[in-house]
Amino acid sequence: AQSVTQLGSHVSVSEGALVLLRCNYSSSVPPYLFWYVQYPNQGLQLLLKYTSAATLVKGINGFEAEFKKSETSFHLTKPSAHMSDAAEYFCAVSDSNDYKLSFGAGTTVTVRA
Amino acid sequence: ETGVTQTPRHLVMGMTNKKSLKCEQHLGHNAMYWYKQSAKKPLELMFVYNFKEQTENNSVPSRFSPECPNSSHLFLHLHTLQPEDSALYLCASSQSLQGAATDTQYFGPGTRLTVL
Repeated sequence: AQSVTQLGSHVSVSEGALVLLRCNYSSSVPPYLFWYVQYPNQGLQLLLKYTSAATLVKGINGFEAEFKKSETSFHLTKPSAHMSDAAEYFCAVSDSNDYKLSFGAGTTVTVRA
Repeated sequence: ETGVTQTPRHLVMGMTNKKSLKCEQHLGHNAMYWYKQSAKKPLELMFVYNFKEQTENNSVPSRFSPECPNSSHLFLHLHTLQPEDSALYLCASSQSLQGAATDTQYFGPGTRLTVL
């Protein structure tokens, strides 16, 4: 079965600073990887996903993530944080053997002015 | 029209009550999901429906009873719940289970449930 580990339950960054959220996965077959964002009082919204095409994936709101098979990682980055990036971020994995998404526990991002 | 809607947004119920959560999707999807979201825990998949047929029951207690009358509507009937069932219940939809591993799931805003 596949699984995801998100390192750090809370990240605090200054406005304009780099945002880096870490995600490591475990899967016995090639994975499909997702990052979702949840703003307060809202459901989850897809930021980006990797489905075995280009390893560097660009998403909405200036976010991107790179699939690194050798490191079993799919870290999410944004070069310059904005106050509107304050939210909870979830990494998730599925694969060809199991369509069901396995989610990480989430990372809460706060942005300091 | 918002893609996936859920009602009510908040619900407080006693352990002996019976209530229902409703989800509606306006995306023309054929797969629908119920998730439980508890603080600082991964989302837990509860049920999956594909073309109105239940395909997954992730060892959910029988006090939770899903219903999917058509591909656009999904209900979660609740009875004799426990305080530990308090959580945010999220509904999601995707195109169908064929190709679901790479499909995007679209989530509703959730129902915040408190069991007293």
